[in-house]
Amino acid sequence: GAVVSQHPSRVICKSGTSVKIECRSLDFQATTMFWYRQFPKQSLMLMATSNEGSKATYEQGVEKDKFLINHASLTLSTLTVTSAHPEDSSFYICSAMSGNSGNTIYFGEGSWLTVV
Amino acid sequence: AQTVTQSQPEMSVQEAETVTLSCTYDTSESDYYLFWYKQPPSRQMILVIRQEAYKQQNATENRFSVNFQKAAKSFSLKISDSQLGDAAMYFCAYRSRSGGSNYKLTFGKGTLLTVNP
Repeated sequence: GAVVSQHPSRVICKSGTSVKIECRSLDFQATTMFWYRQFPKQSLMLMATSNEGSKATYEQGVEKDKFLINHASLTLSTLTVTSAHPEDSSFYICSAMSGNSGNTIYFGEGSWLTVV
Repeated sequence: AQTVTQSQPEMSVQEAETVTLSCTYDTSESDYYLFWYKQPPSRQMILVIRQEAYKQQNATENRFSVNFQKAAKSFSLKISDSQLGDAAMYFCAYRSRSGGSNYKLTFGKGTLLTVNP
């Protein structure tokens, strides 16, 4: 089946710095990717929808300037957490939708972010 | 907006037995997809089963089957012959069939399934 890869799987950064997480569709083109955040023992919370070549659509309550999303190609979307704080520590998961079929969404392995 | 409700935060089952996880949803749309995802301790989201709303027949995938009641907006997951590897968090999810940002998945809060040997 289709593969979505996230990198890094784990990252530790200092407060005030920025960190970038990559989401790649390895064997298909993804016009749309989604970024989720998951707190321990909770469900996935959609942060934003990333569309190739256009601005991301953010969910209500998600700070656009803090969580920068770029979808510059059909196989890559990035999430940059700017000026990170300890409360940004979380598990971040991306998913990608294959082509224009819209039928199947594939998830990445997730990325653990710890801000110290 | 669509909502997905999983009323069972935790469930347990004996190995080889059958367990049913509940899910209800609310939508004004007539055509959509419903999914069950499994999230083991590795945190990888694994698609278990998918149901298209326009199909009356309940989806099945080996030991996994659903009971889709469209009028009642209910979508339960039955796991037969439970195995230790089935232990995980299970999420019910909804997705519209229309395009654009409606392709996003709306998740329930999850049910933590424990399988006892």
